[in-house]
Amino acid sequence: GAVVSQHPSRVICKSGTSVKIECRSLDFQATTMFWYRQFPKQSLMLMATSNEGSKATYEQGVEKDKFLINHASLTLSTLTVTSAHPEDSSFYICSARETGRTGTYEQYFGPGTRLTVT
Amino acid sequence: AQKITQTQPGMFVQEKEAVTLDCTYDTSDPSYGLFWYKQPSSGEMIFLIYQGSYDQQNATEGRYSLNFQKARKSANLVISASQLGDSAMYFCAMTHQGGSEKLVFGKGTKLTVNP
Repeated sequence: GAVVSQHPSRVICKSGTSVKIECRSLDFQATTMFWYRQFPKQSLMLMATSNEGSKATYEQGVEKDKFLINHASLTLSTLTVTSAHPEDSSFYICSARETGRTGTYEQYFGPGTRLTVT
Repeated sequence: AQKITQTQPGMFVQEKEAVTLDCTYDTSDPSYGLFWYKQPSSGEMIFLIYQGSYDQQNATEGRYSLNFQKARKSANLVISASQLGDSAMYFCAMTHQGGSEKLVFGKGTKLTVNP
């Protein structure tokens, strides 16, 4: 149980185009999901907290108009990188926390999406 | 602000030996959680072990144990009987309980297990 999927796993796009990345909790409901970005040989940096049915909370320095987050259901959050540029090339990872499980602390991570902008 | 420090960019260990990966943290919250994750070259984050700030005993999960020294603000990961499959990046992270549960990660340690 507690599986999180991401789609696509890899994507290559041209500069100026938009890319949508999906994060799904397959066997549990997640009111809250998190989006992280990881540059090569670096750590994970939290970009935003995605809340079902409400606006996402972005970390300082993350452009909300560039990284659009939609959490329309309890099992799906999407991250859209708008007008992508080569500097947006990175590994994007989502995680989800199971709704309603009190006393639990674990976040379940997706397998990640490698974005390359040419 | 919360901060995680991992001072070992890389560590080497012989197969079947034990290894300790260091992690220190800084927080003003009295209630927090400490985590260790493994990230193999494929990229997925694998949860290893958790320690709550109020837990009296050190956490253990199979070959993984967490050496929690609250006064020193350290949460070192001990891997016993290393295996070749343990070669990966290891990240220490923390979150404050009761909040948004967002994680703050350290820079990671690359562990290489030699045969």
